[in-house]
Amino acid sequence: AQTVTQSQPEMSVQEAETVTLSCTYDTSESNYYLFWYKQPPSRQMILVIRQEAYKQQNATENRFSVNFQKAAKSFSLKISDSQLGDTAMYFCAFMKRSAGNQFYFGTGTSLTVIP
Amino acid sequence: DADVTQTPRNRITKTGKRIMLECSQTKGHDRMYWYRQDPGLGLRLIYYSFDVKDINKGEISDGYSVSRQAQAKFSLSLESAIPNQTALYFCATSDQRGPETQYFGPGTRLLVL
Repeated sequence: AQTVTQSQPEMSVQEAETVTLSCTYDTSESNYYLFWYKQPPSRQMILVIRQEAYKQQNATENRFSVNFQKAAKSFSLKISDSQLGDTAMYFCAFMKRSAGNQFYFGTGTSLTVIP
Repeated sequence: DADVTQTPRNRITKTGKRIMLECSQTKGHDRMYWYRQDPGLGLRLIYYSFDVKDINKGEISDGYSVSRQAQAKFSLSLESAIPNQTALYFCATSDQRGPETQYFGPGTRLLVL
């Protein structure tokens, strides 16, 4: 079974600063994808960024970037120039291609951006 | 208009009642999913469907059933609701031909008294 671990239940960051959210996963698969989703107070699940395991280059999406360490099974999210609108719950997710694109989610990190 | 819609958005029901949550999508995706979210547990998969004739159990299917009435519609039923089914329920879709990403509906908050 796949497991996804987010070891930081809560974090805070000053506006305009940088913060890194941690995620580790456990799998024996070689073909998989990793995702970060954001859930603001509106409760909508919003895709932040995705990473294909076969790509060595770390994905970036504007102020959001990842540090993907495949051997260490680590997938951290870095948010640069934090904004008040970044306040949300962040979920790391793992998807393996071999089982109907099932997603496995971590338990989430609640991020608060302080003005 | 939203690509993935869920009805109702909020629902209060009593123990033992049958309840149906509905999901519709206009994205043209073939795959649909139902998750529940509980505080501290993240999202867990209940059922998923690759197409109208293909339905599969997820991690926590006990106490739930689903129906894929059409490619665009996927309903989740609680045949006899119990209080520990109180949760936030999400529908999601994905396209096997496209990026490996799931797109979520706005969620249904269910309270079972």
